[in-house]
Amino acid sequence: GEDVEQSLFLSVREGDSSVINCTYTDSSSTYLYWYKQEPGAGLQLLTYIFSNMDMKQDQRLTVLLNKKDKHLSLRIADTQTGDSAIYFCAENGDQAGGYNKLIFGAGTRLAVHP
Amino acid sequence: GAVVSQHPSRVICKSGTSVKIECRSLDFQATTMFWYRQFPKQSLMLMATSNEGSKATYEQGVEKDKFLINHASLTLSTLTVTSAHPEDSSFYICSARRDRIVDTQYFGPGTRLTVL
Repeated sequence: GEDVEQSLFLSVREGDSSVINCTYTDSSSTYLYWYKQEPGAGLQLLTYIFSNMDMKQDQRLTVLLNKKDKHLSLRIADTQTGDSAIYFCAENGDQAGGYNKLIFGAGTRLAVHP
Repeated sequence: GAVVSQHPSRVICKSGTSVKIECRSLDFQATTMFWYRQFPKQSLMLMATSNEGSKATYEQGVEKDKFLINHASLTLSTLTVTSAHPEDSSFYICSARRDRIVDTQYFGPGTRLTVL
């Protein structure tokens, strides 16, 4: 079955870059996503990448995709305290009934300290 | 764009009562909405997929009669937890699929259900 794995915790200093890593198993996924969840809130779609792309940059966010190794990463440049949250990696595998279900990783808790 | 709301944001109820949670896509039409459950410090677990005008598709292990889903319009899906018990206490999050081409889901802010 599909599986998405992430490291559970990352601590960085304010102003440094953060890199959150994710591995997935379903090679048929067409999109991979990064979501951000702040305490007590829903998920905010940060960015997504199409499976035929290697990289996507959006302001401070850079997504790298290594399809051969099924490895996805999210780099946050100049990390700020407001970036402290849980980051979920997800793939749209397991197509059924004409739509794809999102498969989420367990989430990486990013802590930004002064 | 792509705003999804949920109501209520927090509800406390007595054991045995039923609770209805609404999920609305405010600025787009969503033929497909999803209901998730999230336990503390854990990832999201998909409960069911809600399609406008048809029956919901439930994930394995999710009781259809306990978690009633209705998707009556292109902007509204409801989840009713029937005869709630303390073990149903959780954070329930909905999402709406906006774009078939890009296949993105936009999430609501979640509903915290506490059953006493």
